[in-house]
Amino acid sequence: DGGITQSPKYLFRKEGQNVTLSCEQNLNHDAMYWYRQDPGQGLRLIYYSQIVNDFQKGDIAEGYSVSREKKESFPLTVTSAQKNPTAFYLCASSPQGLNYGYTFGSGTRLTVV
Amino acid sequence: QQQVKQSPQSLIVQKGGIPIINCAYENTAFDYFPWYQQFPGKGPALLIAIRPDVSEKKEGRFTISFNKSAKQFSLHIMDSQPGDSATYFCAAANTDKLIFGTGTRLQVFP
Repeated sequence: DGGITQSPKYLFRKEGQNVTLSCEQNLNHDAMYWYRQDPGQGLRLIYYSQIVNDFQKGDIAEGYSVSREKKESFPLTVTSAQKNPTAFYLCASSPQGLNYGYTFGSGTRLTVV
Repeated sequence: QQQVKQSPQSLIVQKGGIPIINCAYENTAFDYFPWYQQFPGKGPALLIAIRPDVSEKKEGRFTISFNKSAKQFSLHIMDSQPGDSATYFCAAANTDKLIFGTGTRLQVFP
């Protein structure tokens, strides 16, 4: 089955630690995205990548980093510089550009303890 | 100009009712308007989408109405069912940007 796999589903992090969220897709999509979802705030774009080895900051990139070494993979690192990292993180992909429907993963819930 | 305003924030209807969720946008360069459905603990899934050259699109019990001159579009759910209880997001996109609304939590009671 084609789709997007995010792992882990739940993640707990101590304050001051970096943590990496995995996102893998087998849809052969060129573009991949990371969103953060907080209650009542909808979906906010963190980073996106339209081709391998290239990515751009979204609206709330501070405290996050990404890489795109392979077409299938777009991991997100939440660094200790992110002041309020507890949230639901969603990865998405699209065939080309934003004028097509996204396919989302099932999300990772990150909790800082 | 980049915002998509969505209302209401939450909506409660009885089974069989017709919930309506409204969205408004400012940027006339948007040319793709999708709706996503999200169940708790899951990622959003594309439900239905419309382009501005049509005023209405229907897929099963879900209908998008689009008013280009008013820069508004809405989702209607006919004969709503308890299984439709979810959060619904509208969005507006062009080749450069996709902006999501803030979401509407729909509860359908039996």
